[in-house]
Amino acid sequence: SQQGEEDPQALSIQEGENATMNCSYKTSINNLQWYRQNSGRGLVHLILIRSNEREKHSGRLRVTLDTSKKSSSLLITASRAADTASYFCATAMGNQGGKLIFGQGTELSVKP
Amino acid sequence: EAGVAQSPRYKIIEKRQSVAFWCNPISGHATLYWYQQILGQGPKLLIQFQNNGVVDDSQLPKDRFSAERLKGVDSTLKIQPAKLEDSAVYLCASSFGTGVGEQYFGPGTRLTVT
Repeated sequence: SQQGEEDPQALSIQEGENATMNCSYKTSINNLQWYRQNSGRGLVHLILIRSNEREKHSGRLRVTLDTSKKSSSLLITASRAADTASYFCATAMGNQGGKLIFGQGTELSVKP
Repeated sequence: EAGVAQSPRYKIIEKRQSVAFWCNPISGHATLYWYQQILGQGPKLLIQFQNNGVVDDSQLPKDRFSAERLKGVDSTLKIQPAKLEDSAVYLCASSFGTGVGEQYFGPGTRLTVT
């Protein structure tokens, strides 16, 4: 079963704009991770935020986590055409080893 | 460091045939995962190995899917016999430890069952 629900399913923006993707989940987590997948490729890890963290940055990426609302958001600032990809959130529950449960993803298109 | 290797990259078979996928994880990674990703969906875990032992295979359709990780390094995933609904990308991933950290994914094998 899929734990994460992502919103929106698809997002189209112009280069230079910011892109925000949201993820909601159902059960308590150890951490939440965001991955990027370019068409026809494997997934690439972007950022991991632990359950006791509220915000994390990595370059142009900003992730927030609200455990009371069981939700997370990924913000990509100053987007580039190369950011065009599918973005997935994945939740890890501490009692299940390394098992990740992925959402269905947000398809981001950045137009030059 | 070399990434996760998978082969083949593409496979087309007819239903009821068998198929096998191979994965070589990043050197030194104790944990190996096989995921199934159906078009338009996120990856779904099929099986997780820690060294050469199975940690989780709760979502593996055991009547037709099997996997092994001999010597705690390479792994193979087999489907026998294949069904149309098995058409998907099969992703292998590995992680260094046994906890809940980041996973490194291979490029995947795209399987088409006709």
